[in-house]
Amino acid sequence: QQPVQSPQAVILREGEDAVINCSSSKALYSVHWYRQKHGEAPVFLMILLKGGEQKGHEKISASFNEKKQQSSLYLTASQLSYSGTYFCGTEMLPGTGNQFYFGTGTSLTVIP
Amino acid sequence: GAGVSQSPSNKVTEKGKDVELRCDPISGHTALYWYRQSLGQGLEFLIYFQGNSAPDKSGLPSDRFSAERTGGSVSTLTIQRTQQEDSAVYLCASSLDGGFSYEQYFGPGTRLTVT
Repeated sequence: QQPVQSPQAVILREGEDAVINCSSSKALYSVHWYRQKHGEAPVFLMILLKGGEQKGHEKISASFNEKKQQSSLYLTASQLSYSGTYFCGTEMLPGTGNQFYFGTGTSLTVIP
Repeated sequence: GAGVSQSPSNKVTEKGKDVELRCDPISGHTALYWYRQSLGQGLEFLIYFQGNSAPDKSGLPSDRFSAERTGGSVSTLTIQRTQQEDSAVYLCASSLDGGFSYEQYFGPGTRLTVT
């Protein structure tokens, strides 16, 4: 039930774009995205809710394909500060077990 | 407070001893979550509180783990008879409301080492 993220790791040069994918085998109600820098706590990036509502406050975009139970995080014109491990978190549909699972993580390194 | 706080920041204990980890959520946040993160791994959901009740305890790995929340605020995660595999960083998060449709604010974590 843990969502699978891809790629596992990616190295970018400043200014390049990246896409991180998150796939679940279960029907989803919401998808969260967090970034964690080494030795720090995860920091919220975005929530995508079933039905299309999206909440976020950084210049990062994401999509949520409910039918495919997939979400993608789009990082454009990457900056050095984008480096870290990105986790998606998935909330199952109500009634299917109110659990929340974080994905396997994607390590992103931006180099000058 | 300004953010989620956790104590202690580090805890080293001997195998078989009990430990208590504390989480103080952001004032006004009704939901509180506990996660465990083993070295180099992702975050494992443990338990979620809405107010003082725990609608979802399904993530607790064994009956050695328990948690409570009093006054709709501070929460304590207790691990009895600790084992070496319990070594991990235990993260607490809070959100404005319940369920998982609100952003979670994480505390700095408690690094637990069982020797």
